[in-house]
Amino acid sequence: AQSVTQLDSQVPVFEEAPVELRCNYSSSVSVYLFWYVQYPNQGLQLLLKYLSGSTLVKGINGFEAEFNKSQTSFHLRKPSVHISDTAEYFCAVSEPGNNDMRFGAGTRLTVKP
Amino acid sequence: KAGVTQTPRYLIKTRGQQVTLSCSPISGHRSVSWYQQTPGQGLQFLFEYFSETQRNKGNFPGRFSGRQFSNSRSEMNVSTLELGDSALYLCASSWETSGSTGSYEQYFGPGTRLTVT
Repeated sequence: AQSVTQLDSQVPVFEEAPVELRCNYSSSVSVYLFWYVQYPNQGLQLLLKYLSGSTLVKGINGFEAEFNKSQTSFHLRKPSVHISDTAEYFCAVSEPGNNDMRFGAGTRLTVKP
Repeated sequence: KAGVTQTPRYLIKTRGQQVTLSCSPISGHRSVSWYQQTPGQGLQFLFEYFSETQRNKGNFPGRFSGRQFSNSRSEMNVSTLELGDSALYLCASSWETSGSTGSYEQYFGPGTRLTVT
């Protein structure tokens, strides 16, 4: 079965600095990969997804992620963060044809002024 | 389109009671999945329903059950509540045609926060 490891539980960063949130996955088959964001007292909002094709995926709010099959990684990046990016970020994996989505433990991104 | 809605948003129950949570998916979405989110265990998959049939199930005891109606609305039931059932329960819907092999992104509702005392 597939699984996801988010390597950092908390990432503090100053406003306008770049940020990378790391995600590694394990699976014996091809996968779909997702990044979701969760603001306090809200559900999860999709930032971006990788299904196939180009390994560099661009999402909403200026985020992007790169699928690296050899390193089984799907790290999320943003070149310049804002205070409003403060939230919990979840990496998730699923297998084609299966909506059993597995989530990482989450990374709390805190953007400081 | 309206998003995924969940009712109620907050719920307080006593140990031993049962509870039913409701989820209305985005119009046209036929797949509904349920997740439990706790600080200790994170986000865990409970089950998925598609066309009124349970298609996938996570590793939860039989006290957790669900169903889906012909209009794709779904309910989740937890019987004999335990303190450890206190969590945010998230529902997600996705668009998927019957017979497809794609895994489409899931759209999440705001969740129902269940507190068991």
